[in-house]
Amino acid sequence: EPEVTQTPSHQVTQMGQEVILRCVPISNHLYFYWYRQILGQKVEFLVSFYNNEISEKSEIFDDQFSVERPDGSNFTLKIRSTKLEDSAMYFCASRGQYSNQPQHFGDGTRLSIL
Amino acid sequence: AQSVTQLDSQVPVFEEAPVELRCNYSSSVSVYLFWYVQYPNQGLQLLLKYLSGSTLVKGINGFEAEFNKSQTSFHLRKPSVHISDTAEYFCAVSYQGAQKLVFGQGTRLTINP
Repeated sequence: EPEVTQTPSHQVTQMGQEVILRCVPISNHLYFYWYRQILGQKVEFLVSFYNNEISEKSEIFDDQFSVERPDGSNFTLKIRSTKLEDSAMYFCASRGQYSNQPQHFGDGTRLSIL
Repeated sequence: AQSVTQLDSQVPVFEEAPVELRCNYSSSVSVYLFWYVQYPNQGLQLLLKYLSGSTLVKGINGFEAEFNKSQTSFHLRKPSVHISDTAEYFCAVSYQGAQKLVFGQGTRLTINP
């Protein structure tokens, strides 16, 4: 069964540094998402992406965050200048064409900011 | 405001006992409802979904859930749990017109032998 894959599984970065989290969505999916889960808290929506542009974003997704689909397969989340509070598990998800189709999630990237 | 509440943060049960994990959501005209499971060190895996039609939906691993519109609930059940069901379970809702999923806080299910 097709899967969403995320790399790396764990990223350790110094505060203030830029970090890029990578995702390969399921190949025929059209909608792409990033969520995050701070330790002990609920999974929170960050951003959705469709047709090469952001379609919805949360208050968390400020100017420090950006997303990109640089080629036909990868979907990336960039944090420009990381803060301690960016430490979390980041999940990528993708979905097919129709709104009643479920989102499929990757295994996540654990981001630790020192 | 759109919100999802999972009333129990932890549920310990004995192996082969039945279990119910509760989920309530803020009322809306139209919702899609999902349960996801997260095994240790893994991502979120879809257990089951409710889109429309029959209010009782069956998922993988013997789980089922019942949509109750008047109670705005979508409780997850399994008649007999196994050690391998130990995991965190998340209820999630997609509200009409929005692409995002709104998640509950999660319920950690622990199975004791």
